Amino acid sequence: DAGVTQSPTHLIKTRGQQVTLRCSPKSGHDTVSWYQQALGQGPQFIFQYYEEEERQRGNFPDRFSGHQFPNYSSELNVNALLLGDSALYLCASSLVDRASLYFGPGTRLTVT
Amino acid sequence: AQSVTQLGSHVSVSEGALVLLRCNYSSSVPPYLFWYVQYPNQGLQLLLKYTSAATLVKGINGFEAEFKKSETSFHLTKPSAHMSDAAEYFCAVSDRATGSTLGRLYFGRGTQLTVWP
Repeated sequence: DAGVTQSPTHLIKTRGQQVTLRCSPKSGHDTVSWYQQALGQGPQFIFQYYEEEERQRGNFPDRFSGHQFPNYSSELNVNALLLGDSALYLCASSLVDRASLYFGPGTRLTVT
Repeated sequence: AQSVTQLGSHVSVSEGALVLLRCNYSSSVPPYLFWYVQYPNQGLQLLLKYTSAATLVKGINGFEAEFKKSETSFHLTKPSAHMSDAAEYFCAVSDRATGSTLGRLYFGRGTQLTVWP
């Protein structure tokens, strides 16, 4: 049973560029959440997708956007990258309205 | 909003010693509570969770945690540390409310556990 997968593993971008991160949820899961984990910090909630719609959103600017596809996979897009966007981006999947999240290995984004 | 405080950003124990990692939460109603572990360059793995049943929760790898409403705490313990337990541990809280708020976790800043031989 495949767990949550994310791609790419690592990414280096320049300030002002745009980036797209991808996530495939655990088999059978229909809800995807994205978290940002800065170095030395706990993960911070970005947003959650269910039925291809954003259900809830954390305190992140509109530069952060997402999408969920009919097969439940998801993308996180970040526009106009800032140095402060450098972090580990974690995708987590779950069943809708269930408390347990299953996390992927993350994508390490470095903005130079 | 929920919040979580993890006391001690670093904890060091000897192999075989008791592990105690502290977590306190703030919430107007008893929330769901979780402990996750993160090994270097990896994602988060769920150790255990408290949702509504027994206040003493047993998890994987010999870890357990006790929900104490009066103290708003959910401390993580393991009777005997192993070298393989060295990792970062995160306490997290989620709202109990039904609907769209489930699945949003609020994490503490983490506690780095070092185990000495």
